[in-house]
Amino acid sequence: GENVEQHPSTLSVQEGDSAVIKCTYSDSASNYFPWYKQELGKRPQLIIDIRSNVGEKKDQRIAVTLNKTAKHFSLHITETQPEDSAVYFCAANNPRSYGKLTFGQGTILTVHP
Amino acid sequence: DAGVTQSPTHLIKTRGQQVTLRCSPKSGHDTVSWYQQALGQGPQFIFQYYEEEERQRGNFPDRFSGHQFPNYSSELNVNALLLGDSALYLCASSARGLGETQYFGPGTRLLVL
Repeated sequence: GENVEQHPSTLSVQEGDSAVIKCTYSDSASNYFPWYKQELGKRPQLIIDIRSNVGEKKDQRIAVTLNKTAKHFSLHITETQPEDSAVYFCAANNPRSYGKLTFGQGTILTVHP
Repeated sequence: DAGVTQSPTHLIKTRGQQVTLRCSPKSGHDTVSWYQQALGQGPQFIFQYYEEEERQRGNFPDRFSGHQFPNYSSELNVNALLLGDSALYLCASSARGLGETQYFGPGTRLLVL
């Protein structure tokens, strides 16, 4: 089955800096890659997603890049703010598994004012 | 537009007991997926329901079972509870679940003593 590895497990940045979180996946048939942000005690919230027919997608300060050949995708957050502090999860979906999302282990992002 | 809702929010049970958790999907969604999130880990896929049938299942024992009703709401049942079943149980809804965006509910936190 699919396996998703996420790095780093913790990331600490100063306000205004950029943050990058990387994920690799094992199943070349996976074609949908969402990113979720989870604040303490809250539900995972979708922040951005990308499908395998595009290499990059941006939404204001957030961007995701996908390299299908290397089977990895990354989340980029620019101009970080303290409210970006949370746990971020990447996930992958193989259409043969219908809607099963396989998640990475998570990255704890801390943005210091 | 109501989002995904779950009940109850918290639950305390003892080993060997049975529990039922409930989920109502986002308006317009017909597919419900259940995930287990242990503390400090990413969500793990339990199973998915579509058209009132279990369409996909993760690596969980038969003690975990579910149901989907004609109005698309769903229940997760866990029998013979173990201490290791203590976790946050998340429900996610989507349209058809075929790699479509999944939106999570607030979760039910289950503690097994």
